Amino acid sequence: DAGVIQSPRHEVTEMGQEVTLRCKPISGHDYLFWYRQTMMRGLELLIYFNNNVPIDDSGMPEDRFSAKMPNASFSTLKIQPSEPRDSAVYFCASSLSNSGGADGELFFGEGSRLTVL
Amino acid sequence: AQSVSQHNHHVILSEAASLELGCNYSYGGTVNLFWYVQYPGQHLQLLLKYFSGDPLVKGIKGFEAEFIKSKFSFNLRKPSVQWSDTAEYFCAVKPLNTGGFKTIFGAGTRLFVKA
Repeated sequence: DAGVIQSPRHEVTEMGQEVTLRCKPISGHDYLFWYRQTMMRGLELLIYFNNNVPIDDSGMPEDRFSAKMPNASFSTLKIQPSEPRDSAVYFCASSLSNSGGADGELFFGEGSRLTVL
Repeated sequence: AQSVSQHNHHVILSEAASLELGCNYSYGGTVNLFWYVQYPGQHLQLLLKYFSGDPLVKGIKGFEAEFIKSKFSFNLRKPSVQWSDTAEYFCAVKPLNTGGFKTIFGAGTRLFVKA
């Protein structure tokens, strides 16, 4: 399997610009997660989907952030307008549930390093 | 609120030294427990996991962790570290029976092993 695929790997943009990060989960996985990693705050869960439906977006910082999952093989995280404090590494991860939810191992992508100037 | 605490933010060891990284969590119910490792410039990958059964679990590269339920702890250990173990280590907890599927991560411990 190819693993979780994220793009772009690096993005440098100016404040106020729109940023779109993309993720392709592992085929067959029914959960998809977006995390943000910064030195100050560590690894934060932004939002997660189950079968393409957003389940918990309580970690999304503010209305400038939005995420979609139009189908089982694709998700986007959009920031509009972007600000310097959004600079971070954004990780997508996918997971496969089984009966009783006794699994939960996360498979991470390589991450998208965002720099907002 | 559920949280995961990792006791050390930075650890520096010489090769062949023993390693123990502490992890405690705050959740009274049943949990799945994980340690993930992030090598420099790479993504997080699973080191080991505990779901049930023997509380001493063994992972890749000689790592092991012990689940002590009474202490809400899941400490990571390795008897003899190598330079290649230099990485950041994350403890993570997935509460069960909460109706959700969230995994909560600790702040991470950066390990530097001197050759």
